[in-house]
Amino acid sequence: EVQLVEAGGGLVQPGRSLRLSCTGSGFTFGDHAMSWFRQAPGKGLEWVGFIRSKAFGGTTEYATSVADRFTISRDDSKSIAYLQMNSLQTDDTAVYYCSRDRASGYVLRGGWFDPWGQGTLVTVSS
Amino acid sequence: DIQMIQSPFSLSASVGDRVTITCRASQSISISNYLNWYQQKPGKAPKLLIYGASNLQSGVPSRFSGSGSGTDFTLTISSLQPEDFATYYCQQSYSTPAFGQGTKVEIK
Repeated sequence: EVQLVEAGGGLVQPGRSLRLSCTGSGFTFGDHAMSWFRQAPGKGLEWVGFIRSKAFGGTTEYATSVADRFTISRDDSKSIAYLQMNSLQTDDTAVYYCSRDRASGYVLRGGWFDPWGQGTLVTVSS
Repeated sequence: DIQMIQSPFSLSASVGDRVTITCRASQSISISNYLNWYQQKPGKAPKLLIYGASNLQSGVPSRFSGSGSGTDFTLTISSLQPEDFATYYCQQSYSTPAFGQGTKVEIK
């Protein structure tokens, strides 16, 4: 079974950092780009960023709202993608999800996201 | 960035009803068929229903269908079932991924 499991969420004070992990199983993790999303309480889905597969450089792209604070990385030997979140703000409070990007190539156009992990809640509050 | 505009924001329907949700690309920019649909139930992760505008994801009931190309897209549930009450999101994959604001389908 193809599966993703996020971990690392919790309560953190504004200005602090947190690292989330996303562990994949049931597929060749290194062959796929991986994306992170978030959903603030009662709100819709927001794309946070993605990391390409190593075949396409393992490079990253981010939403403007997090580009200077969040970093995505990957360890294909462990089938894990990470989301490092620095300088957290109260409006970063959300459930964070990871997903496998089914697009191919460098541009990652025309893909879809499946499966999704169960999500991990990040609460930024003093 | 290409934003997606979904309508309606919410709807009430009965079991057995035919339900249609629409999604439009902002600024009338064509996104070809790079449009996906997801279902999300409270407290759960999104689930892929339709990819490439009209392709049914494996395991998804055939009462779900998608259509459209260019700027206007539709998700149709042919006969609403109790387990279909949820929020539905469209998502464009032409450029930086972006979701519609969601359509909550509630029990009438």
